[in-house]
Amino acid sequence: DTGVSQDPRHKITKRGQNVTFRCDPISEHNRLYWYRQTLGQGPEFLTYFQNEAQLEKSRLLSDRFSAERPKGSFSTLEIQRTEQGDSAMYLCASSSRDTGPPDTQYFGPGTRLTVL
Amino acid sequence: GENVEQHPSTLSVQEGDSAVIKCTYSDSASNYFPWYKQELGKRPQLIIDIRSNVGEKKDQRIAVTLNKTAKHFSLHITETQPEDSAVYFCAASITGGGADGLTFGKGTHLIIQP
Repeated sequence: DTGVSQDPRHKITKRGQNVTFRCDPISEHNRLYWYRQTLGQGPEFLTYFQNEAQLEKSRLLSDRFSAERPKGSFSTLEIQRTEQGDSAMYLCASSSRDTGPPDTQYFGPGTRLTVL
Repeated sequence: GENVEQHPSTLSVQEGDSAVIKCTYSDSASNYFPWYKQELGKRPQLIIDIRSNVGEKKDQRIAVTLNKTAKHFSLHITETQPEDSAVYFCAASITGGGADGLTFGKGTHLIIQP
């Protein structure tokens, strides 16, 4: 499968715990995005990387959230001290201006987080 | 920041009829407008997109129109089929300027009645 992959697909945690999600973009895509989607809503933008540089962060990304893309390939999103309001689907997307249609963002299957 | 409004929230049409979903955006600097289809429990999938230098784009039964002056864009689906039933999201972004994150509308649940 050459699409965007995410791991884990489901995560259940207790309030106050830390969680980390991983996203593997389409090979050679230099741009990677994180979104959050709650039931009945559209995805909300969290942050964006071009290669290893984090270029844009939404104000939705509180201090408890941190994202990395250390080698410009896969990315991790960590949520510290989880709260029940963090329960959502966390979606990753990737795109490239060098290969394929520029700007088109391809989404992964998401990681569904449930905070008890 | 950008704000995208989408209407209607639910749209029910008879199979074979046309469906139209409308979106407005607030930031005149936005230049990229994709539409995504999301089936229950699945990832959003791009169905068509348009850039600000184009007024209309068509791909088989799907078309998108853009009115930059009025800051609105619409999705048109003709000859609807049962497999068109899904939630459709419009989005907007400013590409090439470091603000590439998409701002999505709240979605339209399209129901195709047999």
